Amino acid sequence: GAGVSQTPSNKVTEKGKYVELRCDPISGHTALYWYRQSLGQGPEFLIYFQGTGAADDSGLPNDRFFAVRPEGSVSTLKIQRTERGDSAVYLCASSPSGAITGELFFGEGSRLTVL
Amino acid sequence: DQQVKQNSPSLSVQEGRISILNCDYTNSMFDYFLWYKKYPAEGPTFLISISSIKDKNEDGRFTVFLNKSAKHLSLHIVPSQPGDSAVYFCAASRRRGDMRFGAGTRLTVKP
Repeated sequence: GAGVSQTPSNKVTEKGKYVELRCDPISGHTALYWYRQSLGQGPEFLIYFQGTGAADDSGLPNDRFFAVRPEGSVSTLKIQRTERGDSAVYLCASSPSGAITGELFFGEGSRLTVL
Repeated sequence: DQQVKQNSPSLSVQEGRISILNCDYTNSMFDYFLWYKKYPAEGPTFLISISSIKDKNEDGRFTVFLNKSAKHLSLHIVPSQPGDSAVYFCAASRRRGDMRFGAGTRLTVKP
């Protein structure tokens, strides 16, 4: 498809389990972002990739969260030992260059529910 | 830390009138500002932006105003239409490329 694709769209897991969320950005976009959005809040920045490298991971809340983008395209957000507080919609976005004038193109998000 | 703030969680306006959504930021390093619009079950979509070297940018019914000294920006929609009903997010970025968002304002335009 032409847009940012995120899978799964919904994920229900149990506390303590491991979860992977996948993002397939728009073809050719070098910058990729992960955000987390809780109910009634705006998107909370997690991590930003420029190509294969994490240019800024200052938003990752703790070491249970990790993201990779090994070939500079698809990215996977990994959450270990999930907690109920991790429940949120995880949004992925991409942009052509990540330059300051670049708008972000968002996917529809992956809704994570930790029971 | 809340670097971008939208203090009004909701706004209700009559069709045809002006909608004014406000946003404040704390980080003076931000140099590019954007507004996004979000419908339920969809990701945010870009609406309009402004560089810090400008104080106004207009695109059809949408105008964004930036007051750097006050660290404040606003989005004006005129005339407002029922299809404008959505959640509007203010966002700010700096040269490093990361972009920070406000909590959003839910706009309801009544016919």
